Amino acid sequence: AQSVTQLGSHVSVSEGALVLLRCNYSSSVPPYLFWYVQYPNQGLQLLLKYTTGATLVKGINGFEAEFKKSETSFHLTKPSAHMSDAAEYFCAVSTMYSGGGADGLTFGKGTHLIIQP
Amino acid sequence: DTAVSQTPKYLVTQMGNDKSIKCEQNLGHDTMYWYKQDSKKFLKIMFSYNNKELIINETVPNRFSPKSPDKAHLNLHINSLELGDSAVYFCASSQGHQTNSPLHFGNGTRLTVT
Repeated sequence: AQSVTQLGSHVSVSEGALVLLRCNYSSSVPPYLFWYVQYPNQGLQLLLKYTTGATLVKGINGFEAEFKKSETSFHLTKPSAHMSDAAEYFCAVSTMYSGGGADGLTFGKGTHLIIQP
Repeated sequence: DTAVSQTPKYLVTQMGNDKSIKCEQNLGHDTMYWYKQDSKKFLKIMFSYNNKELIINETVPNRFSPKSPDKAHLNLHINSLELGDSAVYFCASSQGHQTNSPLHFGNGTRLTVT
């Protein structure tokens, strides 16, 4: 079984400042890692994913994340926050052994990103 | 040309009623899912389904049942609604199971049981 911990249910940054959203995972086998974003009254949208290969992954809207096996982390960053980045962000993990369905993809509890003008 | 669409967007009903939420995807995906998001934004999978198998999260009450007329549709039927069923329900799809295939979500159905 795998699990995800997102540190900080709320993160507040100033517009133009660095965004850092933390995600740590637990998995006994190599993980697949995802970040999703949820804007108000909408479904989740994939920001980026790591499966294999390069550990620094670039996604949409200027976001990127780095897979660090030694730290079991997959933190999400963006150099300069924009007001439109205000949303809920979810980290998620699965593995090639997860199989289909009920336990396949495990989500963290989400981090609400607030952008101060 | 919405990829994953759900109807209705809002559903308000009384305890004890039976209701359905519809979901359709036009992405040609072979696997569909239902997720429940509670008031604290926590996402919990309820079902995953492709044309070969239905996998049910064992914690989901049997009052909830998915119905799939074809691989582009996965409807959610709920019997004898309870107050605790109030939540946002998301339909999603992917190509293949939830391993390295990203999910495509609908915009959700906000269910309120009074």
